[in-house]
Amino acid sequence: DVKVTQSSRYLVKRTGEKVFLECVQDMDHENMFWYRQDPGLGLRLIYFSYDVKMKEKGDIPEGYSVSREKKERFSLILESASTNQTSMYLCASSGQGMGDTEAFFGQGTRLTVV
Amino acid sequence: AQSVTQPDIHITVSEGASLELRCNYSYGATPYLFWYVQSPGQGLQLLLKYFSGDTLVQGIKGFEAEFKRSQSSFNLRKPSVHWSDAAEYFCAVGAYSSASKIIFGSGTRLSIRP
Repeated sequence: DVKVTQSSRYLVKRTGEKVFLECVQDMDHENMFWYRQDPGLGLRLIYFSYDVKMKEKGDIPEGYSVSREKKERFSLILESASTNQTSMYLCASSGQGMGDTEAFFGQGTRLTVV
Repeated sequence: AQSVTQPDIHITVSEGASLELRCNYSYGATPYLFWYVQSPGQGLQLLLKYFSGDTLVQGIKGFEAEFKRSQSSFNLRKPSVHWSDAAEYFCAVGAYSSASKIIFGSGTRLSIRP
């Protein structure tokens, strides 16, 4: 089974802190994604990576950065956490082959910024 | 750029009744299309996907979806819903490209009336 593992289920951080959310996948997938999920807004793409050290902005990249130094690991960084970044963060991975492109998700990290 | 519209925020159907959840996508070329389900407190699970071939695709849990290129739609159907189908349903679109974002809709919450 594909496994996408996010390092924390719940996090509480203070405003202004630098926050790291870690994600690891074990299926040798090329693509990795970070989404945030908010009620009524669905899943919004923050950043996407299609190869090591390669990244593309999604729909809501402001206030976030990412790092992908190894194929299996994709980190989301909140440079200076703010209360409006309180949300559920979902990491996903997918392959690039024909018919192999569905996203597999981690269990999510619920981040609260106080 | 890809986009997805799920026009129904919340739908209530009676147990045993048929179900159709609407999804419209925007993408300039042949899309990959997905439906995911998220039960309360659970992660996202893939119900079905379309990437080529037969436009009527079968998924898990008795769901099916039909790709209609002329209408840019990928509606999800089930002939008879069960109480356990109460969940949030997300439609998503990806591109026929190896380095492809996957964009999600805002979701439809399904409630089941006993």
